Amino acid sequence: EDQVTQSPEALRLQEGESSSLNCSYTVSGLRGLFWYRQDPGKGPEFLFTLYSAGEEKEKERLKATLTKKESFLHITAPKPEDSATYLCAVPTSNAGGTSYGKLTFGQGTILTVHP
Amino acid sequence: EPEVTQTPSHQVTQMGQEVILRCVPISNHLYFYWYRQILGQKVEFLVSFYNNEISEKSEIFDDQFSVERPDGSNFTLKIRSTKLEDSAMYFCASRKGLNIASYEQYFGPGTRLTVT
Repeated sequence: EDQVTQSPEALRLQEGESSSLNCSYTVSGLRGLFWYRQDPGKGPEFLFTLYSAGEEKEKERLKATLTKKESFLHITAPKPEDSATYLCAVPTSNAGGTSYGKLTFGQGTILTVHP
Repeated sequence: EPEVTQTPSHQVTQMGQEVILRCVPISNHLYFYWYRQILGQKVEFLVSFYNNEISEKSEIFDDQFSVERPDGSNFTLKIRSTKLEDSAMYFCASRKGLNIASYEQYFGPGTRLTVT
């Protein structure tokens, strides 16, 4: 069964304190791994797509990396405005092995950055 | 920058009533999705829609749910007879197409559905 697991569930950082979030996945035939940011009461906001092991993407203080089993979202010198829930998702297939792009999400990591 | 829009932002309804949630996907996108998120839980897939028909649906998407693309821009989710457990945030998403470069999905701001 396709699964996406994120850790930790919650992370509290001081402003400027760098850290990493983890996303582990088991899926047959990876068609990409996506990171989203979700603010309270809002929709997921697309951040990155990673397609193959070794790939890295960067955006401001965020860097996403991918291995064959997991992805990391590194946050360098975070600011309070980086506080949000970070979601990881992968496209998964139906029982027949066909993918129409359905995303399976992890439960998210709630990041709080204190000034 | 093009974005997915959803209306209403909040819908309160009584159990047993019908509701229609509306979405306008990004204009050149071909695949459309509905997801829901019960408070404090994961985002869950409901249904995908392509070429004017459902391409995949989850176990949650039973006979009480339906989707429609009534014109070239709107995409709707109808719940025929709402239950208390339908209370959730409902997100519409769209993506460009099938090839590997376009599996990315873009989400709308959501409709908070409260069933009383």
